[in-house]
Amino acid sequence: EAQVTQNPRYLITVTGKKLTVTCSQNMNHEYMSWYRQDPGLGLRQIYYSMNVEVTDKGDVPEGYKVSRKEKRNFPLILESPSPNQTSLYFCASSLAGGPHNEQFFGPGTRLTVL
Amino acid sequence: AQSVTQPDIHITVSEGASLELRCNYSYGATPYLFWYVQSPGQGLQLLLKYFSGDTLVQGIKGFEAEFKRSQSSFNLRKPSVHWSDAAEYFCAVGSDNTGGFKTIFGAGTRLFVKA
Repeated sequence: EAQVTQNPRYLITVTGKKLTVTCSQNMNHEYMSWYRQDPGLGLRQIYYSMNVEVTDKGDVPEGYKVSRKEKRNFPLILESPSPNQTSLYFCASSLAGGPHNEQFFGPGTRLTVL
Repeated sequence: AQSVTQPDIHITVSEGASLELRCNYSYGATPYLFWYVQSPGQGLQLLLKYFSGDTLVQGIKGFEAEFKRSQSSFNLRKPSVHWSDAAEYFCAVGSDNTGGFKTIFGAGTRLFVKA
């Protein structure tokens, strides 16, 4: 089944404790992206990757890191999480980088930082 | 700067009634427009998209949307709502940036369906 998977689905952590949210897609997509969803703000893009070893900042990159060493994986790293990073996070992928491409979304990771 | 506005935070309609969700965008060139639906506890799923051509586009689950350049709008419609349509709906515009692209989402409209 073609899909985007994220792990973990739910995570509660404390301020300053490094964490990684994994994202993997099995569709051989070139483009991958991370979003955070907050009430009243919709989805805001954190980082995106046009292909392996190519990443760029979205609208809200502060406090996050990403890497793209393999085509299928695009982990999101929070080196020192803070309470304002409590949010619902979505990973997405599309066949190629381009404004006309449909994005396929993972099920989401709900993160709480205490 | 590009932006997407969904004026209605939430809408309640009766099952069987018609639905229209509003979306206005701000974009300098011809926009790439999308509607996504997010069911409770799920990720987003594409309903339909518009790039060019016929301004009335059909999507999945009986939804359609009409692109009106003069009004900078891309409203989503459905003639008869089912209880399973209760979800959050996001309008989005795809834009080109040097070296990449981004998708800008509206804040969403939550649809409640009453029996």
